[in-house]
Amino acid sequence: GNSVTQMEGPVTLSEEAFLTINCTYTATGYPSLFWYVQYPGEGLQLLLKATKADDKGSNKGFEATYRKETTSFHLEKGSVQVSDSAVYFCALSASYPSNTGKLIFGQGTTLQVKP
Amino acid sequence: GAVVSQHPSWVICKSGTSVKIECRSLDFQATTMFWYRQFPKQSLMLMATSNEGSKATYEQGVEKDKFLINHASLTLSTLTVTSAHPEDSSFYICSATRTGKETQYFGPGTRLLVL
Repeated sequence: GNSVTQMEGPVTLSEEAFLTINCTYTATGYPSLFWYVQYPGEGLQLLLKATKADDKGSNKGFEATYRKETTSFHLEKGSVQVSDSAVYFCALSASYPSNTGKLIFGQGTTLQVKP
Repeated sequence: GAVVSQHPSWVICKSGTSVKIECRSLDFQATTMFWYRQFPKQSLMLMATSNEGSKATYEQGVEKDKFLINHASLTLSTLTVTSAHPEDSSFYICSATRTGKETQYFGPGTRLLVL
C-alpha cells in the first residue's frame, strides 16, 4: 500500500543552521508529494508541493525535489530561523488506481530552532 | 483566500454525550471535505471523505455510526461524535478542497476531551 516515512524528531538546530528533513514514500504510479507545516496551536498549512518527478517545490526558503529514483522528497532550508519551529509533515496523494485526493501523511518531524 | 474554520476549538464533555464539530470553508465552495484524527505527537489519520450532498465515505476501521458526518452545503460539514467515551478524546481536524483532488486547506482543529 501507499505510505510515507519521515525521519524521527525532534530536530534541534541553532538559528541560521542548515535544515534537512528526510522523507521517503512508497506508492504505485506517480503520486503528488507535499510538505505541510503545523505551528504550535494552529492547523496544518501547505508549505510546498510537487506533482511530478524532478519537480522542485519551494516556499519561504524551503525546498524539496521529487526524486522518483530514490522515492524521496526531502525538505531543506539553507538558514533556519526561530520562527521555523514547528511540526513538519510529508504527505502524498496517490494517483493509482485513481486520484481520490486523499492524503497519506508521514508521522511528522518536530523542528526546534534555538536562538 | 482558502480559509477553513472549525468550531468549537475546544470541547470537554461527559462520557455518553454527543458532540458536534463544524467545519466551514469561509471564502470558497468546498465540494469535498476530509476529516482527520490526530493523536498526541502522531500523524493525521484520515477518518472519512465527505462530499456535498452525498453520504460520507469512511476509512476502514472507522465506525460510521459513531462518527456521523454530514456535508449539507458547499461550505459546511459537521462531524458528530455520538455517545462519546474517553478513548474518543483526540484532536479532530478537517480539510476542504474545491474539487476533491486539489490542494487541501486545513482547519485549525478541535480538541475533544471526554471525561
